[in-house]
Amino acid sequence: KQEVTQIPAALSVPEGENLVLNCSFTDSAIYNLQWFRQDPGKGLTSLLLIQSSQREQTSGRLNASLDKSSGRSTLYIAASQPGDSATYLCAVRPAGTASKLTFGTGTRLQVTL
Amino acid sequence: NAGVTQTPKFQVLKTGQSMTLQCAQDMNHNSMYWYRQDPGMGLRLIYYSASEGTTDKGEVPNGYNVSRLNKREFSLRLESAAPSQTSVYFCASSVGRNTEAFFGQGTRLTVV
Repeated sequence: KQEVTQIPAALSVPEGENLVLNCSFTDSAIYNLQWFRQDPGKGLTSLLLIQSSQREQTSGRLNASLDKSSGRSTLYIAASQPGDSATYLCAVRPAGTASKLTFGTGTRLQVTL
Repeated sequence: NAGVTQTPKFQVLKTGQSMTLQCAQDMNHNSMYWYRQDPGMGLRLIYYSASEGTTDKGEVPNGYNVSRLNKREFSLRLESAAPSQTSVYFCASSVGRNTEAFFGQGTRLTVV
């Protein structure tokens, strides 16, 4: 059974700092991995999708990498801002199954002034 | 751009009552999903529909039923609500299994 782990569960950094969020998964047989952002009381906003054949994806200040063989992904946020404060979730789509995503429990990020 | 729309946003039910959560997407996606989110447990898949006319159980289907009414709409029904079904429910959709998933804003359900 695929399991997804995100460490740390919570992180607080000062504004302007570059930071890395980690995601690990137990089964390397995946179609893709997706990073989401969730603000309190809100839905999930898709940030980046990495297909299993890709090594990384970039969108603005965000860069996500994927090392499928070691079961790891990182989300790099450059020059963090208070508006980046949210919970970040990663989810993998296991290969050989019919489409479902398996989620980690998230990293709650606070960017302070 | 509406994306994935869920109704209602909030609901309080008494134990034993029934209700249907509605979900509609306007992106012409083939696959649709229902997840629940509970503190400390992440999002767990309840049911999904890989394509119009098909539905399958996910990780936690007990106590729920679904209907894929057409390509746009996927509803989740609680026949006899229980306090253990207090949760935030999210509907999602994607073109297919290899593509990006998009989520609705959620329905916060409390069963008393």
